[in-house]
Amino acid sequence: AQKITQTQPGMFVQEKEAVTLDCTYDTSDPSYGLFWYKQPSSGEMIFLIYQGSYDQQNATEGRYSLNFQKARKSANLVISASQLGDSAMYFCAMSGASGGSYIPTFGRGTSLIVHP
Amino acid sequence: NAGVTQTPKFRILKIGQSMTLQCTQDMNHNYMYWYRQDPGMGLKLIYYSVGAGITDKGEVPNGYNVSRSTTEDFPLRLELAAPSQTSVYFCASSNNEKLFFGSGTQLSVL
Repeated sequence: AQKITQTQPGMFVQEKEAVTLDCTYDTSDPSYGLFWYKQPSSGEMIFLIYQGSYDQQNATEGRYSLNFQKARKSANLVISASQLGDSAMYFCAMSGASGGSYIPTFGRGTSLIVHP
Repeated sequence: NAGVTQTPKFRILKIGQSMTLQCTQDMNHNYMYWYRQDPGMGLKLIYYSVGAGITDKGEVPNGYNVSRSTTEDFPLRLELAAPSQTSVYFCASSNNEKLFFGSGTQLSVL
């Protein structure tokens, strides 16, 4: 069974500073993917970044980077130069093959508030 | 490019009524999912499908049914709606890596 843990219910950051959102995972699958999604107050789920378990380098997408530490089973999201529009819920998720089917599992989310 | 289209966006049901949430994707994805999101919580999997004609239960299937007669469509049926089914419902499809989400359906059962 897969499990995603996000231990920070809420985070605050000053505009233009960097922030790290924590995510740990547990799985017995040898191959899996890790994702981060942003959910603003409007409710839609916005894909941010993806990391495959066999990828050698940490994924980056603009101001977003995923700090992947496989041995520690962590996949933290780093947002550089925070902007007011980054205020949202952030969900960590993983997808691995369970009996041959890819079943994405989500964490409970972290609420990020960016202060001016 | 439409992606994943979910309808309706909002719905209010009375206890005991039934309804179907529609979901269509135009990306030819085999994998499709239905999640529900309760306030302040993450997404919980209701049902999923790995291809046309194949569906399976997720974490919280009770009170729901699905069908997958085509690759494109994956409707979610609520039978005998209960207040506990008040939630936001998301349909998603996957290319085995990235999940593509619909815009969500906000459902209230009163």
